[in-house]
Amino acid sequence: GAVVSQHPSRVICKSGTSVKIECRSLDFQATTMFWYRQFPKQSLMLMATSNEGSKATYEQGVEKDKFLINHASLTLSTLTVTSAHPEDSSFYICSASKVRGRDAFAGTSGNYEQYFGPGTRLTVT
Amino acid sequence: TQLLEQSPQFLSIQEGENLTVYCNSSSVFSSLQWYRQEPGEGPVLLVTVVTGGEVKKLKRLTFQFGDARKDSSLHITAAQTGDTGLYLCARAISGTYKYIFGTGTRLKVLA
Repeated sequence: GAVVSQHPSRVICKSGTSVKIECRSLDFQATTMFWYRQFPKQSLMLMATSNEGSKATYEQGVEKDKFLINHASLTLSTLTVTSAHPEDSSFYICSASKVRGRDAFAGTSGNYEQYFGPGTRLTVT
Repeated sequence: TQLLEQSPQFLSIQEGENLTVYCNSSSVFSSLQWYRQEPGEGPVLLVTVVTGGEVKKLKRLTFQFGDARKDSSLHITAAQTGDTGLYLCARAISGTYKYIFGTGTRLKVLA
């Protein structure tokens, strides 16, 4: 199987504080992990892509200084929301892929699977 | 544009009815995935379609990839309450390994 876990599943924090969300691939090595954000009743929006051992690449409009991503090992990526604001309240979902980014360019791009975590509900009060 | 538009946005039907959900794009894509997501959980992959005109079946779910590879549909036969959820299509962004998700169809099946 390919199981991805997230911790915590729910977190409430006060404005101005920072909160860290972990994403782990439990039974495979994830060379690439993705972080998504989902507002109520809306679709998933890709925030950033992290490759193990290198800096994350952020989507347009996502503040990299606010959403710090670290992918220090092949099984763990973390997203830290700094100076949290009520507007940051959302459902954060990670996914993990076994394919390193550059491998996907060589041929059938998009034909690999992403394995999703169960999500983390962040509420900033 | 590489946006994925899904229709309908919302659908509420009675158990036993059939339904079709659509996913459309103005650009061609190499493959497309369908997911179902339940509240408070991550999306779960249902199927990946790759070849234009391809039809895949998963029990009561039938997935079709358009001949021109710009659109896809998901048909559910004899819907059950367990089919309730958010259905999302997703495709890889051309030239990258990233995926974008469709706007979503929220399905509610009533007993």
